[in-house]
Amino acid sequence: GAGVSQTPSNKVTEKGKYVELRCDPISGHTALYWYRQSLGQGPEFLIYFQGTGAADDSGLPNDRFFAVRPEGSVSTLKIQRTERGDSAVYLCASSSRAKTSGPISSYNEQFFGPGTRLTVL
Amino acid sequence: AQSVSQHNHHVILSEAASLELGCNYSYGGTVNLFWYVQYPGQHLQLLLKYFSGDPLVKGIKGFEAEFIKSKFSFNLRKPSVQWSDTAEYFCAVKRPNAGNMLTFGGGTRLMVKP
Repeated sequence: GAGVSQTPSNKVTEKGKYVELRCDPISGHTALYWYRQSLGQGPEFLIYFQGTGAADDSGLPNDRFFAVRPEGSVSTLKIQRTERGDSAVYLCASSSRAKTSGPISSYNEQFFGPGTRLTVL
Repeated sequence: AQSVSQHNHHVILSEAASLELGCNYSYGGTVNLFWYVQYPGQHLQLLLKYFSGDPLVKGIKGFEAEFIKSKFSFNLRKPSVQWSDTAEYFCAVKRPNAGNMLTFGGGTRLMVKP
């Protein structure tokens, strides 16, 4: 498969439980992004990785949310002590590095996966 | 607060009508601009993008958008819509000097009546 894949496609859990959401980016894409989309709204940024490191996690709503990308490919978004307000579609995207010079990394457009719909009861 | 605004939340058109969806952003400095589309039951797909150069950008499926820097706008247009254009459309902005994340507008849901 050439696209971004996410598993599971749907996750139903109970309030207070722990969940893990997985993203498999396009092969060779060094940047990986997590977004969250609530009903009737546009996606909101959570965190993005350049390689294995989190380059910006300013969008994570609180310390119950954490994400890892240990080998620079697959990423897992982890949510502890889930709350009903965490219910949303969690989107993953990836992008390749643009051909630019200079110290600032620049990336091409982002390709999105199908998302994981999380429902917290 | 800095943001991306899509003024039309719902648009209903008949086939062959012309389409224009508004997008405004409030960031200064260099921006990269995108329109994504989400067809029913499918994931977000890129329609077109602007990084630099000609401010009139042509995308897939007959869509185009014009970047007007003085108006902080990047409106999406299509001269003649089809029933298959029924979808939700999202404008997004990236500030290359402030990280690589996208900031999205709230989306516009387009319904095209056959």
